[in-house]
Amino acid sequence: EIVLTQSPGTLSLSPGERATLSCRASQSVSSTYLAWYQQKPGQAPRLLIYGASSRATGIPDRFSGSGSGTDFTLTISRVEPEDFAVYYCQQYGSSQWTFGQGTKVEIK
Amino acid sequence: QVHLQESGPGLVKPSETLSLTCTVSGGSITTFYWSWIRQPPGKGLEWVGYIFFDGNTSSNPSLKSRVTISVDTSKNQFSLRLSSVTAADTAVYYCAKGSVYADYWGQGTLVTVSS
Repeated sequence: EIVLTQSPGTLSLSPGERATLSCRASQSVSSTYLAWYQQKPGQAPRLLIYGASSRATGIPDRFSGSGSGTDFTLTISRVEPEDFAVYYCQQYGSSQWTFGQGTKVEIK
Repeated sequence: QVHLQESGPGLVKPSETLSLTCTVSGGSITTFYWSWIRQPPGKGLEWVGYIFFDGNTSSNPSLKSRVTISVDTSKNQFSLRLSSVTAADTAVYYCAKGSVYADYWGQGTLVTVSS
């Protein structure tokens, strides 16, 4: 099983600041199979990024994904008030999914 | 626009079987893979498994012996059965579209395991 470790656990930022979220895999992940989600309290997760760097439909361009192999990054160029949420990375491999434990982006 | 809606009992007794159904609208269930993901209260996401309309399934190894996922193409529905439940199975259960990643999600349904 591929383990995904996200860091930091919590990111405290002010609106307008840049957010950099990390997702590290215990073994190499195909970029095709790495996704990022946003989840707000009481809501289902929302797909942000798939294929490591492709934005899902309707996702603002302030969200971007990058990385390959075992290291992947989600960047929010300028955090907006509606971006404060928990973010999860997820990988698919060998017909299995695993999720990272999440990074909470909170208001500083 | 695909829409998914979970349904099923909100309370299940320990050692019994949890049964949930996901109804898909706005798209044919024969076109894509369909998944179940769960989230214990206050915790992260855990993949349960997925199914294709032809019955091809895959499930989380940690749950595999207890999980059954099935599909009913005539009703555009897919279902989850989780046997021998314990309190550790208490979670919000989401159904979603996709086998590699989930691009559409249901709103989720809380299932509590308690006597």
